[in-house]
Amino acid sequence: EVQLVESGGGLVQPGRSLRLSCAASGFKFDDYAMHWVRQVPGKGLEWVSGISWNGGNAGYGKSVKGRFTISRDNARNFLFVEVNSLRVDDTALYYCVKDRDDILTGSGMDVWGQGTTVTVSS
Amino acid sequence: EIVLTQSPATLSLSPGERATLSCRASQSVSTYVAWYQQKVGQAPRLLIYDASNRATGIPARFSGSGSGTDFTLTISSLEPEDFAVYYCQQRSSWPTFGPGTKVDIK
Repeated sequence: EVQLVESGGGLVQPGRSLRLSCAASGFKFDDYAMHWVRQVPGKGLEWVSGISWNGGNAGYGKSVKGRFTISRDNARNFLFVEVNSLRVDDTALYYCVKDRDDILTGSGMDVWGQGTTVTVSS
Repeated sequence: EIVLTQSPATLSLSPGERATLSCRASQSVSTYVAWYQQKVGQAPRLLIYDASNRATGIPARFSGSGSGTDFTLTISSLEPEDFAVYYCQQRSSWPTFGPGTKVDIK
């Protein structure tokens, strides 16, 4: 069964950092690009970051560029994102997502985890 | 950044009716548009990729069309399980999503 399981979310103060992790199983992880997409409860989807199959190319959404760093460990089938200088408006459910293709601008995001919640509050 | 707008914001229809959802891009994205369905409390599900291709396991009542800046998702005859929020997404540049269209029961 194809599965993505996120972890690492929690309650954190503004300005602090977190590392979100995603464990992938059931597919050949290093054949596909991966993404993080977030969603404020009751609101729409926002692409946060993506990384190509081999980690050679990464991209970030405007609101997180310079503060978030995506990475992957193809040997262990893990996706990560380091989230720094957290702000109240980073509060959201963070989804780990598999792309249909191996590039960042692949044709569609076809497998989604259940998400991990990040709450930024003092 | 390519901005996607979706209309209408809410579509109120009855089961069995046809649903037509629109997505417009701020500049041409060729056919690089995907559509997703999200039900309450669930993660999104990929329906359509590259404007008109159904993803694996998606019923034939879902179809997509369009190119350039204007795209349409059509649900030919609404089933009870189709009432949900639908998002379009472009991949011509870094991915962006539209704000969504909610299809609710009339």
